[in-house]
Amino acid sequence: NAGVTQTPKFRVLKTGQSMTLLCAQDMNHEYMYWYRQDPGMGLRLIHYSVGEGTTAKGEVPDGYNVSRLKKQNFLLGLESAAPSQTSVYFCASKLAGNLDEQYFGPGTRLTVT
Amino acid sequence: AQSVTQLGSHVSVSEGALVLLRCNYSSSVPPYLFWYVQYPNQGLQLLLKYTSAATLVKGINGFEAEFKKSETSFHLTKPSAHMSDAAEYFCAVSDGGSNYKLTFGKGTLLTVNP
Repeated sequence: NAGVTQTPKFRVLKTGQSMTLLCAQDMNHEYMYWYRQDPGMGLRLIHYSVGEGTTAKGEVPDGYNVSRLKKQNFLLGLESAAPSQTSVYFCASKLAGNLDEQYFGPGTRLTVT
Repeated sequence: AQSVTQLGSHVSVSEGALVLLRCNYSSSVPPYLFWYVQYPNQGLQLLLKYTSAATLVKGINGFEAEFKKSETSFHLTKPSAHMSDAAEYFCAVSDGGSNYKLTFGKGTLLTVNP
């Protein structure tokens, strides 16, 4: 199993450009999450999905959109990138149930100039 | 609402010394607690988790944590630090709701000196 993979690993955008980050998992997990990590801030939840076709807002959703058209994929979109969106983005997935943890991808480092 | 406070954004220890990373949580319901480790330029990896089965939880790489309800704490310890333990450590809490969302602390960077 590859686990959780993220594409791309690095990206540089100019202000106003758009892009999509792809998260894929091969563990048949129902739940998927997008976080951003900024120095001294820990991880903050952007959006999450409790199943195929469903998404919900997290703690910091503004400026981002998501889609979960297939169970194994969770896409994070930036329609008009801003320098404040410079961050490292992590995707995670998990099974239902409180005994199981979230499994994280390797991250995408995004710089907006 | 739940929250996590990690005391000390940076902890430095000597190789072979005790590692103690502090985590206090706030939750209105019995919590589920996790410690994750992040090595440089990598994703997060689970160290251990508390799911109410036992208050002393043993994890990977010799780490353990004790859940103390009266102190609302879940501190992470390791008796003897190794150079390979240098990383950032995150404590997280879940309220067990149907969305299984995690709230993370801000992290503690552990430096191990030779």
